[in-house]
Amino acid sequence: NAGVTQTPKFRVLKTGQSMTLLCAQDMNHEYMYWYRQDPGMGLRLIHYSVGEGTTAKGEVPDGYNVSRLKKQNFLLGLESAAPSQTSVYFCASSYSRRAGGPNQPQHFGDGTRLSIL
Amino acid sequence: GQSLEQPSEVTAVEGAIVQINCTYQTSGFYGLSWYQQHDGGAPTFLSYNALDGLEETGRFSSFLSRSDSYGYLLLQELQMKDSASYFCAVIAGNTPLVFGKGTRLSVIA
Repeated sequence: NAGVTQTPKFRVLKTGQSMTLLCAQDMNHEYMYWYRQDPGMGLRLIHYSVGEGTTAKGEVPDGYNVSRLKKQNFLLGLESAAPSQTSVYFCASSYSRRAGGPNQPQHFGDGTRLSIL
Repeated sequence: GQSLEQPSEVTAVEGAIVQINCTYQTSGFYGLSWYQQHDGGAPTFLSYNALDGLEETGRFSSFLSRSDSYGYLLLQELQMKDSASYFCAVIAGNTPLVFGKGTRLSVIA
């Protein structure tokens, strides 16, 4: 059981380039999330999805777009990368909206380390 | 919105007990979770409190006081492998989980 898989694990981009981060989960979870993690800032929610075909903005959505065309996949896009988007990106999924508790914790991928020069 | 406060760093001796506090401000509070993250790794679920009191899971315990908007994570019999970052996270209303900025725990010999 793979859980949550993120692709790629590492990437270096030049300013202005575009790329897509892929997240795939095999737990049939309805809810999926994209976070960024910067030193001393904890995990900040970028966008999330409450089901196939739906997306919503989180705390720091600017500069990012997302799509959830299939239930198991959640894509995060950077249309024109900026150095401020250098970060570690984590995807997570959960069974329900009230994620976080013992029966429905959020499951995280291993992260994508993205550097933008 | 929600906000959480937790210490940025804590250092403790191997074999000792350490407490990591978390205070929160939110509306529609539902529960408080704790996650552990080792350097270079992904956050993993540790503990959860929805009601006042202490929840124990092996060497780890978590406490919640809803009236004080306060919780803590207690780690006993500290081991070197417990060196990691610990995040409290609030479940409230219909919003996704909101994480604190994390507490970096260093266990020293």
